[in-house]
Amino acid sequence: DQQVKQNSPSLSVQEGRISILNCDYTNSMFDYFLWYKKYPAEGPTFLISISSIKDKNEDGRFTVFLNKSAKHLSLHIVPSQPGDSAVYFCAASEAYNTDKLIFGTGTRLQVFP
Amino acid sequence: EAQVTQNPRYLITVTGKKLTVTCSQNMNHEYMSWYRQDPGLGLRQIYYSMNVEVTDKGDVPEGYKVSRKEKRNFPLILESPSPNQTSLYFCASSSGSLAGIPASYEQYFGPGTRLTVT
Repeated sequence: DQQVKQNSPSLSVQEGRISILNCDYTNSMFDYFLWYKKYPAEGPTFLISISSIKDKNEDGRFTVFLNKSAKHLSLHIVPSQPGDSAVYFCAASEAYNTDKLIFGTGTRLQVFP
Repeated sequence: EAQVTQNPRYLITVTGKKLTVTCSQNMNHEYMSWYRQDPGLGLRQIYYSMNVEVTDKGDVPEGYKVSRKEKRNFPLILESPSPNQTSLYFCASSSGSLAGIPASYEQYFGPGTRLTVT
């Protein structure tokens, strides 16, 4: 049972435009969410996170939005750059089980010139 | 340079031949973890360790063993590998608990080990 779902396996966006990556979750006990970015032949790297007490967190070109009622979060990248081309993983953690992260299946973003 | 290293990076082996994938971090992190990445399944946690001599199962521990005898090292052991363990494996570490946030958050990942079991 996939508790964290990224229903779009891939996304293609033109340079300079906005990239929106989506993530849905089923576990109402999740209270902390993270996005990781992965380039080929490298391990994932932490990108941005959000606590369930917030609905938005911004870091430069990256903004994560959380809609708890819909159990949905999204990562916005504005403006998109070719260097953003990577696989993006959404991850979540339960409030009373913070030892573990549950990852989604990933979305491959391609930013073309 | 702060990093998580894994060895080997690539390994092809045969069913039943015991193997160990090493993982080492130089950041004095307490938390270490192993994941496998498979197409359509994302990253799934195999085992994790909160500190020396403290290990616990993740979501897919069957067929794997780990040990944490030293803080910096967290080897993954496959006693009798099978073809369904063919995967891309990542080791990760974190100091989150020392910074006031849960240890599992903001993990540093190694470069991965691609294992093929024939």
